[in-house]
Amino acid sequence: DQQVKQNSPSLSVQEGRISILNCDYTNSMFDYFLWYKKYPAEGPTFLISISSIKDKNEDGRFTVFLNKSAKHLSLHIVPSQPGDSAVYFCAAHLQGGSEKLVFGKGTKLTVNP
Amino acid sequence: DTGVSQNPRHKITKRGQNVTFRCDPISEHNRLYWYRQTLGQGPEFLTYFQNEAQLEKSRLLSDRFSAERPKGSFSTLEIQRTEQGDSAMYLCASSLGGRGSNQPQHFGDGTRLSIL
Repeated sequence: DQQVKQNSPSLSVQEGRISILNCDYTNSMFDYFLWYKKYPAEGPTFLISISSIKDKNEDGRFTVFLNKSAKHLSLHIVPSQPGDSAVYFCAAHLQGGSEKLVFGKGTKLTVNP
Repeated sequence: DTGVSQNPRHKITKRGQNVTFRCDPISEHNRLYWYRQTLGQGPEFLTYFQNEAQLEKSRLLSDRFSAERPKGSFSTLEIQRTEQGDSAMYLCASSLGGRGSNQPQHFGDGTRLSIL
């Protein structure tokens, strides 16, 4: 079963506008969430993370929001740039000592100039 | 910081052959992870090491798969008697351990395995 879900396979936005990437999870035992960006032929690159005790974390143009009651998180990119075009993966850690990451299937973001 | 290095980048082999991949983590990282990614999916966890100890293995890691990290530095992942379903990108990651924004897992660029 897919415990981390990214229901939008793709998203297209105009340069300068906001990109909002969504992620839903089903396991209430997840306590830490991360976003990774992946360019073709490269490995995933860590972007930003958030603990389940917080509802927002910001780093430059990237902000992650967490709604625990809805089991939903989102990544906001403002302003979007063509270089942001990539596949974005949402990932989660289970509390209790396991260090594995559980990934969603990814959303391909295209930022048009 | 030279990043996580994986070799080879591509491996093409016939079904039934054995293959071995190598991962060199970031030098000061004590945790090392292996993931597998197939087309249209996110990476799936296979196993991880803390130093030389293999602490967790996924059900995905059948008895044809074995991973080692003999001296707590580089790691190898071996697949014996490869099958068509083993075709995937094999990703290695490393971290300083623990969980937190200061210690994310850093990924290499992967080894793409194609089974003929």
